[in-house]
Amino acid sequence: GAVVSQHPSRVICKSGTSVKIECRSLDFQATTMFWYRQFPKKSLMLMATSNEGSKATYEQGVEKDKFLINHASLTLSTLTVTSAHPEDSSFYICSATTGQGNNSPLHFGNGTRLTVT
Amino acid sequence: DAKTTQPNSMESNEEEPVHLPCNHSTISGTDYIHWYRQLPSQGPEYVIHGLTSNVNNRMASLAIAEDRKSSTLILHRATLRDAAVYYCILTTSGTYKYIFGTGTRLKVLA
Repeated sequence: GAVVSQHPSRVICKSGTSVKIECRSLDFQATTMFWYRQFPKKSLMLMATSNEGSKATYEQGVEKDKFLINHASLTLSTLTVTSAHPEDSSFYICSATTGQGNNSPLHFGNGTRLTVT
Repeated sequence: DAKTTQPNSMESNEEEPVHLPCNHSTISGTDYIHWYRQLPSQGPEYVIHGLTSNVNNRMASLAIAEDRKSSTLILHRATLRDAAVYYCILTTSGTYKYIFGTGTRLKVLA
């Protein structure tokens, strides 16, 4: 149980275009989803926390107009990288919890590798 | 957010136990200790978590110090598939964030 599906796994786009990444909880309802970004050989960096039906909470330094997050249902959150540039190339990972509070394990998608040319 | 400190890397021989340490001296009473691991080019995988008592599951055991300022993830018999980066993180009830530190890269030798 507790499967999180992330799509696409890889995407290559041209500079200036927008890319949407989907994150779905397949067998549970995810009240809260988290979006992370990871550079090669580095740890995960939390970008934002997304609660169903409300606006995402972005971490300091993350541009909310650049990284649009929508959490329209209890099983789907999307991250849209708008007007992508080469410096946005990275590994983006979503995660979701099965419950509320800090006692809930995180379940992760397999990530999306974005390359902006 | 409370911080964790882990060794950058460790090595273990296959089929031997592995003890991965984590220091979290600024932990507060309601912070949970979570462990995740990440294989190359994949999202992290949940391993185990606990608050005060030691915890066991099919993947590993978590030993938490009595003062909760440190913990140890125990893999009872390391396999090549256990080679990964292991992250120890604290989750705070107030902010409800999962902040990842640098982790420990575990290498398992055949």
